[in-house]
Amino acid sequence: KNQVEQSPQSLIILEGKNCTLQCNYTVSPFSNLRWYKQDTGRGPVSLTIMTFSENTKSNGRYTATLDADTKQSSLHITASQLSDSASYICVVSPNSGGYQKVTFGIGTKLQVIP
Amino acid sequence: DAGVIQSPRHEVTEMGQEVTLRCKPISGHDYLFWYRQTMMRGLELLIYFNNNVPIDDSGMPEDRFSAKMPNASFSTLKIQPSEPRDSAVYFCASSFGSGNTIYFGEGSWLTVV
Repeated sequence: KNQVEQSPQSLIILEGKNCTLQCNYTVSPFSNLRWYKQDTGRGPVSLTIMTFSENTKSNGRYTATLDADTKQSSLHITASQLSDSASYICVVSPNSGGYQKVTFGIGTKLQVIP
Repeated sequence: DAGVIQSPRHEVTEMGQEVTLRCKPISGHDYLFWYRQTMMRGLELLIYFNNNVPIDDSGMPEDRFSAKMPNASFSTLKIQPSEPRDSAVYFCASSFGSGNTIYFGEGSWLTVV
């Protein structure tokens, strides 16, 4: 069964600090990997998308990396802000099987404190 | 663009009652999705439509759940009869073209007591 494991489950950091969130997946063959940000009480919003051939993708202070050989991805947040407090969800799409085979991680809950 | 619009935002209902959740996708999008999110299982795809036609409903938990899309700008997810284990956040989402970014609504928070 395809799986997406995210770590840590939760994280508290001081405003201005950097942090890195991890995503390990077993989905294979793999088409693309997305990171979503979900604010409390809101729907998820796409941050980045990477295909299997891409190693890194940036969106402002968010940088996602992908190692397709080890099936690992990370999301690095630079100079964190209070507004970064949210859940971050890793989503992996396989090459086939349609949308039902798209696998969502449970997410990492990040809290940025002053 | 107003984004994906869902209603109601919050619903508390008694076990056995019928629940209807509504969704208006982003104009021009040809894919519509219904997801359920819980703390334990995260986001799960229930059903999705392409050009108003249901493509895959294998994620619908049981016959108590049904979804319709009578036109390109409206969809409903119905639970009848509702049970406490149906308590979750239900998201509607839409996208343009296969494999492209999926845009989520704000969700409908359902509590069945």
